[in-house]
Amino acid sequence: AQSVTQPDIHITVSEGASLELRCNYSYGATPYLFWYVQSPGQGLQLLLKYFSGDTLVQGIKGFEAEFKRSQSSFNLRKPSVHWSDAAEYFCAVAAASGGSYIPTFGRGTSLIVHP
Amino acid sequence: EPEVTQTPSHQVTQMGQEVILRCVPISNHLYFYWYRQILGQKVEFLVSFYNNEISEKSEIFDDQFSVERPDGSNFTLKIRSTKLEDSAMYFCASSEGRGDVEGYTFGSGTRLTVV
Repeated sequence: AQSVTQPDIHITVSEGASLELRCNYSYGATPYLFWYVQSPGQGLQLLLKYFSGDTLVQGIKGFEAEFKRSQSSFNLRKPSVHWSDAAEYFCAVAAASGGSYIPTFGRGTSLIVHP
Repeated sequence: EPEVTQTPSHQVTQMGQEVILRCVPISNHLYFYWYRQILGQKVEFLVSFYNNEISEKSEIFDDQFSVERPDGSNFTLKIRSTKLEDSAMYFCASSEGRGDVEGYTFGSGTRLTVV
């Protein structure tokens, strides 16, 4: 079964600084990988996804993520954080074939942005 | 843009009471899901539903839980006799197809507090 680890519970950055949120997954084959964002009182919004092809994927709101098979990682990055990026970020993995297609989520990383 | 709508956004109930959480999936979607997120923990899959029956469920989804599509638009999660540990955010999601992870759309959630 697939699993996801987000090792950082909280991350604090200053507005304008760069950001990297870590995500490691466990799955025996090529997975589908996702990053979701949850703003306070909101649902889970898809930021970006990786299915195949180019390992650097671009998402909404200026985010990108890089799939590194050798490290089983799919870290989320943004070159310059805005105060409105403060939210909870979830990494998720689903099986590309076999296993469960239903996304398995990490526990989330809370991003705090200082002015 | 089509949305998954959940009501109510917050619900407080006494231990032992029955609660029904409601969801209106996207109209052309055929697969429906419930997830929960206990405060500070990961988003956990509960159940998926297709063609008026449960297609997958997790260990969490025990006899206290049931799901139903009572009419053509609503998808409900019932907790028969709530316990304190049922306090969580409950998310509904829907997708067009079984393997349609790209088309997964989440609602904004119902925060359930059991007192």
